[in-house]
Amino acid sequence: DTGVSQDPRHKITKRGQNVTFRCDPISEHNRLYWYRQTLGQGPEFLTYFQNEAQLEKSRLLSDRFSAERPKGSFSTLEIQRTEQGDSAMYLCASSVRSQELNEKLFFGSGTQLSVL
Amino acid sequence: GESVGLHLPTLSVQEGDNSIINCAYSNSASDYFIWYKQESGKGPQFIIDIRSNMDKRQGQRVTVLLNKTVKHLSLQIAATQPGDSAVYFCAENRDNQGGKLIFGQGTELSVKP
Repeated sequence: DTGVSQDPRHKITKRGQNVTFRCDPISEHNRLYWYRQTLGQGPEFLTYFQNEAQLEKSRLLSDRFSAERPKGSFSTLEIQRTEQGDSAMYLCASSVRSQELNEKLFFGSGTQLSVL
Repeated sequence: GESVGLHLPTLSVQEGDNSIINCAYSNSASDYFIWYKQESGKGPQFIIDIRSNMDKRQGQRVTVLLNKTVKHLSLQIAATQPGDSAVYFCAENRDNQGGKLIFGQGTELSVKP
């Protein structure tokens, strides 16, 4: 168990509906990442936070996607007006920025989204 | 058993044999590499990492080899067990990209008892 918790584990929705996912990172980790993974592919970076600040967003993150981390702890990812192409596993990961140059990411089990 | 080429998606080995999973990375500026294991329905699980100033690193039953000349990374699993069956991803990172990892396609390892 990596300690990163995601909710819900599965979400089925109809096209056009809004969905929101939650991620609780490992408590002492100040960085939080969202990735998306489609079947048979590796995860793709979407966005990340350092504490409550969103530092980078991928071009994959359309205007229908918004992520927040209001208190620097848990994060939410909202998708508005879902499309069938949004169907994927949404993964959250956390890390702690240290004196080491590179970060070790710990992933949660993901939220599997199916848009009908 | 050994995977060859860049896009071989599956590798089947006999329990107890050694496994070698290969990965080609794309960016010569990448300075940090990680292997993740992903079981069905779960998120990627960290296995082992290596920085670009090293060419070999060993963990428990696993060894990662890095060849920067040809931008090649491999994961060796000794005495492969049924519990090792999963999809294995390599990922690369550059310091100025923080934790933004670029993942390879992945290789599915199947261990036959």
